[in-house]
Amino acid sequence: KAGVTQTPRYLIKTRGQQVTLSCSPISGHRSVSWYQQTPGQGLQFLFEYFSETQRNKGNFPGRFSGRQFSNSRSEMNVSTLELGDSALYLCASRGTSMNTEAFFGQGTRLTVV
Amino acid sequence: AQSVTQPDIHITVSEGASLELRCNYSYGATPYLFWYVQSPGQGLQLLLKYFSGDTLVQGIKGFEAEFKRSQSSFNLRKPSVHWSDAAEYFCAFNQAGTALIFGKGTTLSVSS
Repeated sequence: KAGVTQTPRYLIKTRGQQVTLSCSPISGHRSVSWYQQTPGQGLQFLFEYFSETQRNKGNFPGRFSGRQFSNSRSEMNVSTLELGDSALYLCASRGTSMNTEAFFGQGTRLTVV
Repeated sequence: AQSVTQPDIHITVSEGASLELRCNYSYGATPYLFWYVQSPGQGLQLLLKYFSGDTLVQGIKGFEAEFKRSQSSFNLRKPSVHWSDAAEYFCAFNQAGTALIFGKGTTLSVSS
């Protein structure tokens, strides 16, 4: 069974640009969550999608947005990039049950210059 | 506020020695508890989880953790550490349908 796949693995963008990250969950999983990991703030929750609907949202500005498609694949978009957006962005998928653990992808390393 | 505390930022253990990583959570009820491990530049791998039942849970790679409700703790243990265990370890919790709340992590170094 394939794991969570995130693309691309590495990305370098310039301040002010926008970026889109992609996440394909484990087959059959309908929940996809996004987390930002930085040395200073640690792992912070961005948002979660379940069956194409945003179910939970963290405390991030509106520049961070996401969506989920009917095949459960999810994309995360960051507009007007700032230097502080440089981070490892991790995607996690969960099964259909509420009582399930999250499985993480390898992440996308975003560097804003 | 809901939070997870991992009091040790960095721990160094000799290869073959035992290991205990501490984790305390702050939450009004008993949450679901997890330990994840992360190697440099990689994602998070689930080591073990506690949902209910037996308070001593076994995980992968020889790890175990004990849930103690009275202490709001979920400490991770391993009887004999291997050099390949060097990584960063994260404790996390959530409730059904909610986002994971992570601790800041503990970096484990293994000396020979």
